Amino acid sequence: NAGVTQTPKFQVLKTGQSMTLQCAQDMNHEYMSWYRQDPGMGLRLIHYSVGAGITDQGEVPNGYNVSRSTTEDFPLRLLSAAPSQTSVYFCASSSYGKSSTDTQYFGPGTRLTVL
Amino acid sequence: AQSVAQPEDQVNVAEGNPLTVKCTYSVSGNPYLFWYVQYPNRGLQFLLKYITGDNLVKGSYGFEAEFNKSQTSFHLKKPSALVSDSALYFCAVRDIGKGYQLIWGAGTKLIIKP
Repeated sequence: NAGVTQTPKFQVLKTGQSMTLQCAQDMNHEYMSWYRQDPGMGLRLIHYSVGAGITDQGEVPNGYNVSRSTTEDFPLRLLSAAPSQTSVYFCASSSYGKSSTDTQYFGPGTRLTVL
Repeated sequence: AQSVAQPEDQVNVAEGNPLTVKCTYSVSGNPYLFWYVQYPNRGLQFLLKYITGDNLVKGSYGFEAEFNKSQTSFHLKKPSALVSDSALYFCAVRDIGKGYQLIWGAGTKLIIKP
């Protein structure tokens, strides 16, 4: 199993550009989420999904869109990049439901710089 | 409101000495508690969790954590630190009565000196 994969590893954007961060998992997990990590602030939840076709907003959703057309994939779209979106982005997945162990599995991260 | 506090930005320990990384939490119901570790330029890795049962939880790499309900704490411990334990450690909590999301602490940088 590859676990959780993310592409690209690094990206530099200019203000106003759009892009999609890719996330895929091969563990058949229902729950997937996107976080951003900024120094001294821990992880902040951007969007999450509890299954294909179902998404919801987290703590800091503004400027980001998500979709979940399949169980495996959960892309994050930046609509119009801003310098405040410079961060490291992590995708995570876990099983979901009463039998869930709640353990989240993280991808390696995407380091995004917006100039 | 749910919250997690890691009161120390950084903890310095000499190799071979015991280490403690502190975590306190606030939830209205019963908590699920987690510790994750992040090595430089890597994603987070699961270390251990408390769901129910024995207050002392053992995890990966020789780490353990003690759940203390009266003090609302879940401190991470290891009897003898290794230089390779140097990393960023995150505590997280889920209020099982309030949805599925984890609430994360800000992280504690652990530095083990030879």
